[in-house]
Amino acid sequence: DVVLTQSPATLSVTPGERISLSCRASESVDTYLHWYQQKPNESPRLLIKYASQSISGIPSRFSGSGSGTDFTLSINGVELEDLSIYYCQQGNSLPFTFGSGTKLEIK
Amino acid sequence: EVQLVESGGGLVQPGRSLKLSCVASGFTFSNYGMNWIRQAPGKGLEWVAYISSGSSYIYYAETVKGRFTISRDNAKNTLYLQMTSLRSEDTALYYCASPMDPNGDWFAYWGQGTLVTVSS
Repeated sequence: DVVLTQSPATLSVTPGERISLSCRASESVDTYLHWYQQKPNESPRLLIKYASQSISGIPSRFSGSGSGTDFTLSINGVELEDLSIYYCQQGNSLPFTFGSGTKLEIK
Repeated sequence: EVQLVESGGGLVQPGRSLKLSCVASGFTFSNYGMNWIRQAPGKGLEWVAYISSGSSYIYYAETVKGRFTISRDNAKNTLYLQMTSLRSEDTALYYCASPMDPNGDWFAYWGQGTLVTVSS
């Protein structure tokens, strides 16, 4: 199975900051890497698909990059509403797997 | 508006069975593959099973293979998960999810989840 390692586990941020979250795969997943946001007591929401493709309705401050084994989700100007847990997920091979998440909190 | 509504969760004893349902609306259900994904309390996400649009392709996570069965009824716009030989580690919020794309390996739409608690 492909193991996805997300770092850091927790990130303390100040509103307005530009931040980057990392997701590293145990083997190449090409660009079959997707990002989700999960707020407390809510279902996950798809933010980015295929590593860098934007999703309709998602604010433009969210962007993704990477290929192979190293991926990054960036938020350009964090807002209070962005405080959530962020998960990466690979769809290159079955079983589909998720990273353990990065929790964004206020500094 | 796309909606996925799960039901069927509850408290069940170890070793017993439970069947979950997910009713879809707002899109052509029969066109898309569907998935079950679960989340144990306070934990991360775990993909459980996938079924293709016409039920020809079915895949399971190793943790549930042989105990869970995914199925669908396209006439009723409903996805199912039959769970047998339940264990305490199956306790989780169970989501149905779809890429809403014929070849999608991501999860664009999610239900609100139904909670399964396995305990004596």
